[in-house]
Amino acid sequence: DGGITQSPKYLFRKEGQNVTLSCEQNLNHDAMYWYRQDPGQGLRLIYYSQIVNDFQKGDIAEGYSVSREKKESFPLTVTSAQKNPTAFYLCASSPAYGELFFGEGSRLTVL
Amino acid sequence: GENVEQHPSTLSVQEGDSAVIKCTYSDSASNYFPWYKQELGKRPQLIIDIRSNVGEKKDQRIAVTLNKTAKHFSLHITETQPEDSAVYFCAASPNTGFQKLVFGTGTRLLVSP
Repeated sequence: DGGITQSPKYLFRKEGQNVTLSCEQNLNHDAMYWYRQDPGQGLRLIYYSQIVNDFQKGDIAEGYSVSREKKESFPLTVTSAQKNPTAFYLCASSPAYGELFFGEGSRLTVL
Repeated sequence: GENVEQHPSTLSVQEGDSAVIKCTYSDSASNYFPWYKQELGKRPQLIIDIRSNVGEKKDQRIAVTLNKTAKHFSLHITETQPEDSAVYFCAASPNTGFQKLVFGTGTRLLVSP
């Protein structure tokens, strides 16, 4: 069953801690993305990757880091440098010139 | 960079009425304009898209129009049904081979029976 899987669905973090959100896809898509969703602000691009071992900053990359060691995986680390990390995080993938397919999302809450 | 504005932020209609959501964009290089629907607690899903060589595209009760001169595009939903209730996002991209989309802020559509 092809798709894109994010985990965990809910995550709680204490201030000062780094957390990593997982994103895995078995759609054989080259490109993968991380978006942040906040109420009233739509979806904002954090990082994207077109190919293994390469990734680019999006519009709000500060306080986040990513890696792309495998085509199927694009984990996002929310570091302690991110000032306001509480949000809903969406991972997506796409083929070249194709539509974005989103995961179910991960909701991060900082306590 | 690209900036996409979307209006209205909320829209309430009666079942059977039409709904129109409008977006404007700033980057004349953008040539791909998708619309995504996000139901409560679910992932966004593509419902229709249009490319800059087309002025209008229809898919059953949904249509999208594009005016490249004015840099705006709109989503039209006819004969609305309660299951159309969701948040709708427009987006724009230069479509350079991957979808570096810039999204609008979303429109919450409520269709009352």
